[in-house]
Amino acid sequence: QQQVKQSPQSLIVQKGGISIINCAYENTAFDYFPWYQQFPGKGPALLIAIRPDVSEKKEGRFTISFNKSAKQFSLHIMDSQPGDSATYFCAASNNSGAGSYQLTFGKGTKLSVIP
Amino acid sequence: NAGVTQTPKFRVLKTGQSMTLLCAQDMNHEYMYWYRQDPGMGLRLIHYSVGEGTTAKGEVPDGYNVSRLKKQNFLLGLESAAPSQTSVYFCASGRGAWKTQYFGPGTRLLVL
Repeated sequence: QQQVKQSPQSLIVQKGGISIINCAYENTAFDYFPWYQQFPGKGPALLIAIRPDVSEKKEGRFTISFNKSAKQFSLHIMDSQPGDSATYFCAASNNSGAGSYQLTFGKGTKLSVIP
Repeated sequence: NAGVTQTPKFRVLKTGQSMTLLCAQDMNHEYMYWYRQDPGMGLRLIHYSVGEGTTAKGEVPDGYNVSRLKKQNFLLGLESAAPSQTSVYFCASGRGAWKTQYFGPGTRLLVL
């Protein structure tokens, strides 16, 4: 069964600090790894995504680090702000064969950034 | 553009009742998805569609049916609601492989 394991379940970070959320996967056929951000009462929205041909992708304060051999990837939020307080989901998909175009999500991390 | 819209926003059902959730997208996306979100469980795929007239099962399809008669609409049906189907349901659409999925605002369903 395809699985994406996400940790921690919740995270409290002080304003200006670094938030780190980790994910691990089992299916070596996964070839797309997005992160989604969800605010209370809203649907998830794509934050940043990476494909396994690169080890890191940065967009503003958000960085994905990808370790193909360890089958792990992580989200780093630099200079965390109270407005970053949300639930973050990692996800993975394989885009060929059975199950194409399906995203498998982690269980989410609730991030709270305190002033 | 409205993006992805969902109807209704909130619904209360009694066990055994039926209902249909409507999802509409105005981005001309081929792919549409229905997820359910439960506390501590993340988002789980119920059914999805890769084009008008086609549907496929996801991770948790039991108790649900779907239809995609028009490209812009994806309907999720519950024939006989059960308390275990109490959840928040999200619809999403996208262009397929390696592409963003755009989510609707969700439908909160309570089955008593």
